[in-house]
Amino acid sequence: QQQVRQSSQSLTVWEGETAILNCSYENSAFDYFPWYQQFPGEGPALLIAIRSVSDKKEDGRFTIFFNKREKNLSLHIKDSQPGDSATYFCAASPSGYNKLTFGKGTVLLVSP
Amino acid sequence: GPKVLQIPSHQIIDMGQMVTLNCDPVSNHLYFYWYKQILGQQMEFLVNFYNGKVMEKSKLFKDQFSVERPDGSYFTLKIQPTALEDSAVYFCASSLGQSAETLYFGSGTRLTVL
Repeated sequence: QQQVRQSSQSLTVWEGETAILNCSYENSAFDYFPWYQQFPGEGPALLIAIRSVSDKKEDGRFTIFFNKREKNLSLHIKDSQPGDSATYFCAASPSGYNKLTFGKGTVLLVSP
Repeated sequence: GPKVLQIPSHQIIDMGQMVTLNCDPVSNHLYFYWYKQILGQQMEFLVNFYNGKVMEKSKLFKDQFSVERPDGSYFTLKIQPTALEDSAVYFCASSLGQSAETLYFGSGTRLTVL
């Protein structure tokens, strides 16, 4: 049973488009939702995160939209660049707790 | 930014042997973690460690697994004996505080058990 589910294994967009990566979860106790970005040969690095009290978090070209009632969230990458090509992991944890539950990841390819 | 180093990046061993995976966490961090990722699957929590003790472990953390950080040196994951199903990428992470917001990951050790 997957507690955090990412709807797409892979996604291809053209340079300049907005990439949308979707994620859903099952555990109502989840309160903190980070997105991690991972390049080949490297470890995952925190990209942007949101808490369940918010419905939107923006950081430059990256925005999380969060729907608590529907238990889903999405990561929007505006003006996608080839350098954004990576694997993106959606994760979740309960408040004040340091154990993350990860999705399987979405491989994003941005074509020039 | 802060770096977590994992040594080695790849390890190949025969089933039944012992293996030790090494992690050099961020220098002032207090909490340490191991995650396991089988190819094509999600990263899964194995164990977290604080103040010389295991705080929590998952059902994936079998009796053959152990962790320690002697005298503030490497944080290690030891598997003895290894089994075929232990083949995976093992990620170490560390954090300053107890909240998940401060987790920093290493680049992983790919373990192949033959």
